[in-house]
Amino acid sequence: LAKTTQPISMDSYEGQEVNITCSHNNIATNDYITWYQQFPSQGPRFIIQGYKTKVTNEVASLFIPADRKSSTLSLPRVSLSDTAVYYCLVGDDYNQGGKLIFGQGTELSVKP
Amino acid sequence: DGGITQSPKYLFRKEGQNVTLSCEQNLNHDAMYWYRQDPGQGLRLIYYSQIVNDFQKGDIAEGYSVSREKKESFPLTVTSAQKNPTAFYLCASRQYSNQPQHFGDGTRLSIL
Repeated sequence: LAKTTQPISMDSYEGQEVNITCSHNNIATNDYITWYQQFPSQGPRFIIQGYKTKVTNEVASLFIPADRKSSTLSLPRVSLSDTAVYYCLVGDDYNQGGKLIFGQGTELSVKP
Repeated sequence: DGGITQSPKYLFRKEGQNVTLSCEQNLNHDAMYWYRQDPGQGLRLIYYSQIVNDFQKGDIAEGYSVSREKKESFPLTVTSAQKNPTAFYLCASRQYSNQPQHFGDGTRLSIL
């Protein structure tokens, strides 16, 4: 299972763009990259998933370089409600028997 | 609305007692998961099930047991053998391989 490395914490201000980078040097060919958001005392919520290049949805963008050894979650114009922990997961749960590994995540603090 | 329901939200266990946490989903998902989260930590996988009547141990299965008799239900029993059960327990499900996991709102277990 690919191990991921993320910053433990980040600070930002309302209205700024936030980029959280995740390193996954030993990513396998079939692995997908998935990001979740978690608020205190709640279950994680899916944000975005990708395999290569760029993926965009209504809440975020995911940038994946050609070598796929890292990925960047981009949150445009954050608000106070984006204060949460963000987890980067890398894996192919089909071939890993359904397992996915959550790391410690990045605690994002958005200030007014 | 479809989703995952965990109950109870708060649970207290006495020494030497087994307790069961409920997880029900009406998403028609095949795979279900149980995670444990300690304060300030990421999620750790306890057990997972990819199909009815089958389940596999995760990384921290000791002191826990599960059953999967119905597709929509995946209860977790915290046995007296689990010496440090105080944690936030999260249940998740997913439909197909490499599809995002959907999480419940968790059960917080404490020792009396």
